[in-house]
Amino acid sequence: EDQVTQSPEALRLQEGESSSLNCSYTVSGLRGLFWYRQDPGKGPEFLFTLYSAGEEKEKERLKATLTKKESFLHITAPKPEDSATYLCAVQAGAGGSYIPTFGRGTSLIVHP
Amino acid sequence: EPEVTQTPSHQVTQMGQEVILRCVPISNHLYFYWYRQILGQKVEFLVSFYNNEISEKSEIFDDQFSVERPDGSNFTLKIRSTKLEDSAMYFCASRGQVTGELFFGEGSRLTVL
Repeated sequence: EDQVTQSPEALRLQEGESSSLNCSYTVSGLRGLFWYRQDPGKGPEFLFTLYSAGEEKEKERLKATLTKKESFLHITAPKPEDSATYLCAVQAGAGGSYIPTFGRGTSLIVHP
Repeated sequence: EPEVTQTPSHQVTQMGQEVILRCVPISNHLYFYWYRQILGQKVEFLVSFYNNEISEKSEIFDDQFSVERPDGSNFTLKIRSTKLEDSAMYFCASRGQVTGELFFGEGSRLTVL
């Protein structure tokens, strides 16, 4: 049973072409939703935590938003160095496991 | 900036051998985790550890696996009698007391021949 579904699986953008990545989730009582960046052969690097619907977080060209069913990672005017796999993870609240469960990720390639 | 460190970065072993993967979590963190990622697949939870005992484990974490915190800084994952399907990247992670985000190490790549 998938708790976290990310789409698209892969995304190719031209430098400067803004887009959004989606993470939809089904958990009982969301405790936290996390976004990570993973470069090839490396460990996930923490980006954002979102706790409640309506919350937004920003860092450079990235902006994460959260609703009751999904989260978006918006990438504004991406650069080639933004190329990576972006992972979403959810942590269920009361009645569920507190262990973050990861989606399969979206592989982003930004062409110069 | 504090970071999680893992050794070795890559280990090659023969099927049936035992391996120990080592991790030094961030110094003031109290919760420790092992995850694994088979090539091309998602990051999967193995085990969590708090207050010197396992707090939760997944179905993957069977009797072949064990974890230990032998001293105040190291956190180890032991895999007894390795199988071909144990080949994966193993990530150690830690988190602090208040927030839920995990901080990951760079991983240990295990290749079982």
